[in-house]
Amino acid sequence: ETGVTQSPTHLIKTRGQQVTLRCSSQSGHNTVSWYQQALGQGPQFIFQYYREEENGRGNFPPRFSGLQFPNYSSELNVNALELDDSALYLCASSQVGGRGYGYTFGSGTRLTVV
Amino acid sequence: QKEVEQNSGPLSVPEGAIASLNCTYSDRGSQSFFWYRQYSGKSPELIMFIYSNGDKEDGRFTAQLNKASQYVSLLIRDSQPSDSATYLCAAYSSNTGKLIFGQGTTLQVKP
Repeated sequence: ETGVTQSPTHLIKTRGQQVTLRCSSQSGHNTVSWYQQALGQGPQFIFQYYREEENGRGNFPPRFSGLQFPNYSSELNVNALELDDSALYLCASSQVGGRGYGYTFGSGTRLTVV
Repeated sequence: QKEVEQNSGPLSVPEGAIASLNCTYSDRGSQSFFWYRQYSGKSPELIMFIYSNGDKEDGRFTAQLNKASQYVSLLIRDSQPSDSATYLCAAYSSNTGKLIFGQGTTLQVKP
């Protein structure tokens, strides 16, 4: 049983650029959730994907968008990067339903916007 | 009002003492509650989950849930320096399918 893999692990982008972060899904899971964690803060829910559709969104602007593929892997795209987008981006896969204890987190992508 | 609230700390306890971490939540539709431990720069690691009122024990850890008061806590007995980390409280609602985190409490266990 594979875990959740995120890529890249680190990257540096310039303000105004666009970035794509990737996340695999653990075997048997069909849902991927993305979180943004700024330094010293808890993870903030960005959105969740289930069956290739967005299934819930947090308080993030439309320049944060995502995709889920038939193999349940997912991408997070951020357009027009701002300095405040610098954070650790976490994805977690899970199986829809249940009580929520099946979340498996990836190691995260550290994004720095300069 | 944040959906899940924690005192950011830091909470400092001596080695061997009991550390008590607290969390409140606002969504009464939340059904399950989780405590994650997160070391600096790493991803969260699940320690405990609880969904029934009362206490749940696992080794040195005890989670407590009081749905009437919308309150969750985590007790760490015989605290060790290796327990020094940020502890994240999270609430899950099957209505929304979302796992929502608090801001985390930093625990420092001093030798």
